[in-house]
Amino acid sequence: RKEVEQDPGPFNVPEGATVAFNCTYSNSASQSFFWYRQDCRKEPKLLMSVYSSGNEDGRFTAQLNRASQYISLLIRDSKLSDSATYLCVVNKAGNTGKLIFGQGTTLQVKP
Amino acid sequence: GAVVSQHPSWVICKSGTSVKIECRSLDFQATTMFWYRQFPKQSLMLMATSNEGSKATYEQGVEKDKFLINHASLTLSTLTVTSAHPEDSSFYICSASLGTDYGYTFGSGTRLTVV
Repeated sequence: RKEVEQDPGPFNVPEGATVAFNCTYSNSASQSFFWYRQDCRKEPKLLMSVYSSGNEDGRFTAQLNRASQYISLLIRDSKLSDSATYLCVVNKAGNTGKLIFGQGTTLQVKP
Repeated sequence: GAVVSQHPSWVICKSGTSVKIECRSLDFQATTMFWYRQFPKQSLMLMATSNEGSKATYEQGVEKDKFLINHASLTLSTLTVTSAHPEDSSFYICSASLGTDYGYTFGSGTRLTVV
C-alpha cells in the first residue's frame, strides 16, 4: 500500500465548476500535511498547508480528518489557470522533515 | 520568502559521464536540504537528505556511491550523478524548509537526459 494515495484522475471539469480531490495516508503518526500544485515539467509549489480545523484560501478549502487519515481539497469556481496536477503531501512521522508525495491528481479545466 | 535556486535547469550527457546539480538557498540558511527524483507520470520520490557538515542520509534503494551529495555550506548542496546511464534520466528537484510548519520550497528542478 502506498504511504500517500490519490486518485490520479484526470478530472475534466468546465470553468466555474466545483471539484474535490481526496487523499489518504497510511501513517497515523504523520504530523504535517500540505497540498502542492505542480504544472507540467515544473517544480511543485505550495498551495496550502492543511490543518485539523480546516482552512480556506480564496476559492480553495482544505480539510484534514486525522481519525480517517484523510485529506481533501475543494476548488470552487474553477478557472482555466487551475489546470495542473495537485499533490497531496505528508511529512514523515517524527518531524524529520521528510515529505512523502502522493502520485498527484490531474485537473483539466475546460472553457 | 524562502528561495531555492537550482542549476542547471536541464542537461544532456553521454552515458558514463558524471553530472553535478547545484541547489542554493538564496535568502536563508539551510542546514538540511532534500533531493527528490520524479519519473514521468509518477510522484516525487525522496532520494536523500543532505546535512550541512555531515554525511547525507540516503533512502532505501538509493545508491550512495552513485548519487554523491555534498553540503559543505549552509547555502549550498550538490548532487552528483556519477557514471550516468539512460535509466538515470529523470527530473531531479531539491528542496529546503524554514521549519516543518512552513512548508517546503523547491528548486526549479533539473531535467537530466542521458544518451
